[in-house]
Amino acid sequence: GAVVSQHPSRVICKSGTSVKIECRSLDFQATTMFWYRQFPKQSLMLMATSNEGSKATYEQGVEKDKFLINHASLTLSTLTVTSAHPEDSSFYICSASKRLVGISNQPQHFGDGTRLSIL
Amino acid sequence: AQKITQTQPGMFVQEKEAVTLDCTYDTSDPSYGLFWYKQPSSGEMIFLIYQGSYDQQNATEGRYSLNFQKARKSANLVISASQLGDSAMYFCAMTGGTSYGKLTFGQGTILTVHP
Repeated sequence: GAVVSQHPSRVICKSGTSVKIECRSLDFQATTMFWYRQFPKQSLMLMATSNEGSKATYEQGVEKDKFLINHASLTLSTLTVTSAHPEDSSFYICSASKRLVGISNQPQHFGDGTRLSIL
Repeated sequence: AQKITQTQPGMFVQEKEAVTLDCTYDTSDPSYGLFWYKQPSSGEMIFLIYQGSYDQQNATEGRYSLNFQKARKSANLVISASQLGDSAMYFCAMTGGTSYGKLTFGQGTILTVHP
């Protein structure tokens, strides 16, 4: 069964709206989660690393004020797209790993993703 | 910095035949992990197989095997006995060094299985 839950799976909203996406680890604690963005038929691009109890680490070129990340508990990270515009329309997907010490054969488990459409 | 390259934008295979999806990587880290994920049109990422840089043997998981050639920095995925349900986008990814858990993805290969 799923070990990472992402909600909502699809959002359609008007330009200027803020949208919150939740990522939950279901049966393990995740001190670190990752947020990716994907355009159609393209690869996943890492946006940021979400750290429980501290500030997220953003990749170069990702606007911190546009994409707010909160990791308030060991099982929940949220991504808020603030004042969303049509160019923010994309597929957003989170991931978490059961173990994060050294190189591990524990794969990153992904949520099912959120398709965001801004009209 | 790590880099993953998948040079096959699309691949076609006949049902029940085997297919190889290519992946090359570049890293200066001596310790790293290589992963393959499958992404159906519905969007979810499905973990298929893992290979560690110090693993002596090639990884296998059911119909999936990873042809790991460390000197050539390649980690090709072999799918045996292809099924129609194997049609999807396939991503090669790696993690390593201090970027624990952080995955660097290749461009992806769209596999189409014909009946």
